[in-house]
Amino acid sequence: EAGVAQSPRYKIIEKRQSVAFWCNPISGHATLYWYQQILGQGPKLLIQFQNNGVVDDSQLPKDRFSAERLKGVDSTLKIQPAKLEDSAVYLCASSLDPPTSGIMGAQYFGPGTRLLVL
Amino acid sequence: GEDVEQSLFLSVREGDSSVINCTYTDSSSTYLYWYKQEPGAGLQLLTYIFSNMDMKQDQRLTVLLNKKDKHLSLRIADTQTGDSAIYFCAPIKAAGNKLTFGGGTRVLVKP
Repeated sequence: EAGVAQSPRYKIIEKRQSVAFWCNPISGHATLYWYQQILGQGPKLLIQFQNNGVVDDSQLPKDRFSAERLKGVDSTLKIQPAKLEDSAVYLCASSLDPPTSGIMGAQYFGPGTRLLVL
Repeated sequence: GEDVEQSLFLSVREGDSSVINCTYTDSSSTYLYWYKQEPGAGLQLLTYIFSNMDMKQDQRLTVLLNKKDKHLSLRIADTQTGDSAIYFCAPIKAAGNKLTFGGGTRVLVKP
């Protein structure tokens, strides 16, 4: 079974530029998550989708971050304009069911996109 | 304090057992997961425990849960150099059904 795919793996941009990340979840997984992981910290949830609807975006800085999941499969996360403090690893994860479902709700992570903002 | 706390670092000799500890605040957590992150990689699901269990064993991994003290531990038997990584404890936060990650414990296995 193919895992969660993310691209690009690395991105270097200057502050105030825009950047977009792409995620393809495990086939059949209804729930998709985007996390931000700053160096030395655990992942922080940015947004959670159930199919193509947003379940939780309370931690998403909506003035500069946006995300969509058209057709309930692939998702893109965009930052516009980027700030220095956005330098982090952006992780995409997916699960078969919402997290309350035990192993069925367990989240499987992609390799991440490492963003450096100069 | 933080919702999930872990010690920062653990050093262990190859072949010994490792014990990684985690404390959490949300007593209503239903599932508690352990993830492993190797350098430059995403998070790999290792194991999980349901809140009505106090122990779960999976090959070299043993998870212990003390729900009264809100303490979770992961024991790795016969630790190998390939076990060197960062380990994250992640209980489900009942409000909003979200995973909450600790800061991770960096495990270094010495030959």
